[in-house]
Amino acid sequence: KAGVTQTPRYLIKTRGQQVTLSCSPISGHRSVSWYQQTPGQGLQFLFEYFSETQRNKGNFPGRFSGRQFSNSRSEMNVSTLELGDSALYLCASSLERGAFTDTQYFGPGTRLTVL
Amino acid sequence: QKEVEQDPGPLSVPEGAIVSLNCTYSNSAFQYFMWYRQYSRKGPELLMYTYSSGNKEDGRFTAQVDKSSKYISLFIRDSQPSDSATYLCAMSAPGGGADGLTFGKGTHLIIQP
Repeated sequence: KAGVTQTPRYLIKTRGQQVTLSCSPISGHRSVSWYQQTPGQGLQFLFEYFSETQRNKGNFPGRFSGRQFSNSRSEMNVSTLELGDSALYLCASSLERGAFTDTQYFGPGTRLTVL
Repeated sequence: QKEVEQDPGPLSVPEGAIVSLNCTYSNSAFQYFMWYRQYSRKGPELLMYTYSSGNKEDGRFTAQVDKSSKYISLFIRDSQPSDSATYLCAMSAPGGGADGLTFGKGTHLIIQP
């Protein structure tokens, strides 16, 4: 079974631009979560989608948004990029049993650099 | 106080040693506890998953949860150089919420050949 895939793997943007990251979950998984990983803050939860609906949301500004499609694929968008948005963005998928009570499988991440 | 505290290391031990990694937490609502391993420039990989208190063993790995002390541990027996990585503890309360899956910052482990 193929794992979680994320595209692109690397991205360089400038301040003020916007960016869209994509995540394809493991086949059959209906929950997709997004995390931001930085050396200073570690892994922080952004949001979780289940059946095309945002089920949980972390403490990030409204510039961070996401969506999930009917095939469970998910995208996250960051508008008006800031230098502090430079990070590894990780996507994780899991079965539907419950929010975060089921095993989450992580993708390799998208490394975003904001100049 | 951070919700989950984890010593960042680095922790350096000789090959074959028993490794002990630990996390403490403050949220008594946490019921699900995990340990992830992350190699450089890779996504985290689940090692152990435990519900509530108790021990769980899988090969060379043993996870322990002590909810009364709000303390979790991961033990690695017969450590190998390939175990060198960052180990992240993670935990969640039923239903998730704004915390989602809450991670420690990770302990950088180095196994010396």
